[in-house]
Order: sequence, then C-alpha cells, then structure tokens
Amino acid sequence: NAGVTQTPKFRILKIGQSMTLQCTQDMNHNYMYWYRQDPGMGLKLIYYSVGAGITDKGEVPNGYNVSRSTTEDFPLRLELAAPSQTSVYFCASSSDSDYGYTFGSGTRLTVV
Amino acid sequence: KQEVTQIPAALSVPEGENLVLNCSFTDSAIYNLQWFRQDPGKGLTSLLLIQSSQREQTSGRLNASLDKSSGRSTLYIAASQPGDSATYLCAVIGYGGSQGNLIFGKGTKLSVKP
Repeated sequence: NAGVTQTPKFRILKIGQSMTLQCTQDMNHNYMYWYRQDPGMGLKLIYYSVGAGITDKGEVPNGYNVSRSTTEDFPLRLELAAPSQTSVYFCASSSDSDYGYTFGSGTRLTVV
Repeated sequence: KQEVTQIPAALSVPEGENLVLNCSFTDSAIYNLQWFRQDPGKGLTSLLLIQSSQREQTSGRLNASLDKSSGRSTLYIAASQPGDSATYLCAVIGYGGSQGNLIFGKGTKLSVKP
C-alpha cells in the first residue's frame, strides 16, 4: 500500500520564488491535511480539506494556498517564499470513521 | 484551547528495560488519541489509535492506555530494543474547531542503549 505520497522530498528555494508541494493518497480518505514541523515547536496545521472542493484554514495559513480537485490529491502552494517558511512539511489523511491519521514522509524545504 | 504535554522530553534507558512515556491533555472532550513514532529526518508512523470509548490498545510490545477523565495517556514499551530509539509523539483529536485536527505534544525522544 502506498498510503500518502509526498513530492519532492527536498527542495531549496530562493526568497520570492514559488513552488507546489504535491500530496497524493490512495486510501480514499475524505480528510486531508498539511502540517509544518519546526524544530522544537511541534506540528502545526496549515490547511485542511474534508472532501473534494472543500478546503479551510488551519492555525498557520499565511503564505500558503491549497486546492482539492480530487479525493486523492491535495497540493500545497507557496507563493513568494520567505525564510520563515523553511520547515519540514507533512501531508496527512484520515478516514471519517475513526480519524486515524496516516502521514507522508515529508518535504524538507529551505528558503535562502 | 487544547494543550498536549509529554513528559519526559528525553529518556535514555539500557536495552531490555520496560518503560513508560506519559501524555497529558487539558480538555477531556476528545474524539480519539493517537501515538506516533518519528525517526530522525523521517515522517510519522502511527503506532496505536485509541478511541475515546476505549481504555487501551495493544500492538506487539506496545500498550497504550487512555484515561479521559484525568486527561492522561501512557505508552508502555516492553523489553526495549535499540531499534525503538526515536521520538514518540502523542496527539489528540477534539470536538469542534478545525475538523479532525490533531493536536500534538512536543514528543519524548527515546534512546535505548545496547
């Protein structure tokens, strides 16, 4: 089972550049999430989606955008990258029965 | 606002020892609680999921308990091995707020010495 797949695994961006982090899940989960993990700060929710066509902001949405055109895909868009966005980004999905989460392996992003 | 605390922040034990990791949460109105393991530079691997109506879950050498009324959960690891070395994260899902949002503790970094 593939579970949740994230690409790329690593990326270096220059200040002001844009990029899209890809996330795909094959478990037919309705719920999908984007988290960022900063050293010593724990995981914080950026955006989430409860189904195709529905997205909403989490705790730290500024500087990011998402879309959910299909059940499987939930890309995260960074516009005008800033050093404060240097972090590890995790995509996750959960079923709407028990809310058990499955995480991707993460994308390590550095903005210089 | 739900807060999750994990104690201790770090733990070093000799191989073979049984150990307990602690997790506490401030709001007892949770839907479920999930324990994860994270290896350095890696993603999160789910270990155990406990529904709010359950008291414990077991998987192999791992046993997690949940006491909602006191806002506590423990993860018991039996006969620890060097391969258990990782950061262990506790997370809860509450009702309301961001749909199904996991609130994480900061983790316990476990080191098991051969």
